[in-house]
Amino acid sequence: KNEVEQSPQNLTAQEGEFITINCSYSVGISALHWLQQHPGGGIVSLFMLSSGKKKHGRLIATINIQEKHSSLHITASHPRDSAVYICAVKAGNQFYFGTGTSLTVIP
Amino acid sequence: NAGVTQTPKFRILKIGQSMTLQCAQDMNHNYMYWYRQDPGMGLKLIYYSVGAGITDKGEVPNGYNVSRSTTEDFPLRLELAAPSQTSVYFCASRSDSYSNQPQHFGDGTRLSIL
Repeated sequence: KNEVEQSPQNLTAQEGEFITINCSYSVGISALHWLQQHPGGGIVSLFMLSSGKKKHGRLIATINIQEKHSSLHITASHPRDSAVYICAVKAGNQFYFGTGTSLTVIP
Repeated sequence: NAGVTQTPKFRILKIGQSMTLQCAQDMNHNYMYWYRQDPGMGLKLIYYSVGAGITDKGEVPNGYNVSRSTTEDFPLRLELAAPSQTSVYFCASRSDSYSNQPQHFGDGTRLSIL
């Protein structure tokens, strides 16, 4: 049983395309965390949100608490966006992670 | 500005050996976490700490031990290494200055048990 489900598992896009990655969860949460894992393995925080929408550059994250769903959007995708995107939810003092979405952006 | 520092980056152990994975942070964060990442799986929480002297089990604590004697350091110990502990281990820290602070991750330790 996975508390966090991501879709799609793998995604290939042409440079410039608009990309959406989805995250659904089954537990009560206080916040949701979007992370990026580079091919070398390092993990970087993108967004932490508990309601509404956040935007940073070409990245937009939204969350619907009632539907237990979040989306990460990338506008005007670029090959340097190629990475694994991970959704994690904060429940109490712990975080539960999805298995990640592997994104490849082709020039 | 070091952030979260993990050592070593790579290690090969024989079955039954023991070792300590080191994690240090210089951001004065109270919350620290140890995760393991296996191929095709999400990160799984091994242990976490909410402050010096306080630790608690996560989802997969068996075969591991931790201690938190200072705010900066949160070492993870494997006492009797088993092949099932082959994984990539990540340490993370988080501030509790206000709610919903993001985690900051170390670069990971790739551990193989042969």
